[in-house]
Amino acid sequence: DAGVIQSPRHEVTEMGQEVTLRCKPISGHDYLFWYRQTMMRGLELLIYFNNNVPIDDSGMPEDRFSAKMPNASFSTLKIQPSEPRDSAVYFCASSQGSGHEQFFGPGTRLTVL
Amino acid sequence: SQQGEEDPQALSIQEGENATMNCSYKTSINNLQWYRQNSGRGLVHLILIRSNEREKHSGRLRVTLDTSKKSSSLLITASRAADTASYFCATDLNDYKLSFGAGTTVTVRA
Repeated sequence: DAGVIQSPRHEVTEMGQEVTLRCKPISGHDYLFWYRQTMMRGLELLIYFNNNVPIDDSGMPEDRFSAKMPNASFSTLKIQPSEPRDSAVYFCASSQGSGHEQFFGPGTRLTVL
Repeated sequence: SQQGEEDPQALSIQEGENATMNCSYKTSINNLQWYRQNSGRGLVHLILIRSNEREKHSGRLRVTLDTSKKSSSLLITASRAADTASYFCATDLNDYKLSFGAGTTVTVRA
């Protein structure tokens, strides 16, 4: 398996633009997590899915952020409109079952100018 | 807010030496996990220790867990340059959500 795949790896956009980050989890994993990592706040869980259903989105910073998982092999995290404070590295991770190790993707480095 | 706090924040050692870092947490946990992150990369799982375990080994890694003190330690023996990375502890509160600490940055000098 190729591991968790994220695209794009780098994204530079201007304030106010819509940004869509993509994730393909490891096949057979039933949990998918979106994290954000910044120097100031460290690694924060934004939202996670179980069997394609959003379970906990309490970490989503505000309504500008939304996430979907239309099927078991694809998830998106959308920011609309983007702001400079959204600049961070966004990670997607997946796991098989609960209480197990999480496998992280390489991340998307987002810069909002 | 972060559940786990790593100590020290940064550590610099000579190749071949051992590196020890600690993690303290606030509430009861199901398990505690350690991850490594190389610069510019995603996190890689190292080891998981359950709340009813006290010590676990994996290659050159040794993890201890003291639930009475709400603390864990990660020991890397005979360090190598490739061990240069940030190390994070993550507490599993309810079997599906992990709370990560701020990390310990380890530099191994050749």
